[in-house]
Amino acid sequence: GAGVSQSPSNKVTEKGKDVELRCDPISGHTALYWYRQRLGQGLEFLIYFQGNSAPDKSGLPSDRFSAERTGESVSTLTIQRTQQEDSAVYLCASSLGGQAYGYTFGSGTRLTVV
Amino acid sequence: SQKIEQNSEALNIQEGKTATLTCNYTNYSPAYLQWYRQDPGRGPVFLLLIRENEKEKRKERLKVTFDTTLKQSLFHITASQPADSATYLCALDSSSASKIIFGSGTRLSIRP
Repeated sequence: GAGVSQSPSNKVTEKGKDVELRCDPISGHTALYWYRQRLGQGLEFLIYFQGNSAPDKSGLPSDRFSAERTGESVSTLTIQRTQQEDSAVYLCASSLGGQAYGYTFGSGTRLTVV
Repeated sequence: SQKIEQNSEALNIQEGKTATLTCNYTNYSPAYLQWYRQDPGRGPVFLLLIRENEKEKRKERLKVTFDTTLKQSLFHITASQPADSATYLCALDSSSASKIIFGSGTRLSIRP
């Protein structure tokens, strides 16, 4: 597609439920990234995919968080047993690969855990 | 660990003036430094990338400088317009070479 698409745009869930967030990157972009942005704060790195593998998962906050990417395309970020502190905007970005290229971000999924 | 500092206070500028935003970093020597614009409720939008061997880069009304001795980048918007009002994020490549790390951003407000 023309840009990075994320769904849903908004998600309200009850504490303890599992949620799945989806990201469709730009076609041909081999690198895909997930970031989290809490209200009024900067972007916090979660995980990086190169193709279908994840060489850097260092930002995942706990084992409740996991992500996968299939077909060098769509990625899903799963949060199990959600907690209120998981409330944030989850942003996905893709790039041609490497740090010499700018990232193209989606509009994010706003997750609210009640 | 790497640290990126941007002025957390909002910057208010009169329309037509030049806005200058600062990004300082410590504990690392990045090969690349990037600037993004973020509007409320939207994802960041890539503006410019500058390499460590480049002192300055320009794009239309935007200018970025990169001083690896001072460990600082300056981001300038000349002839500022109210439509330039947004939060501007500085980002640099990480030591692990797998991702970029973002500063917390500076909110810029251009008044007519």
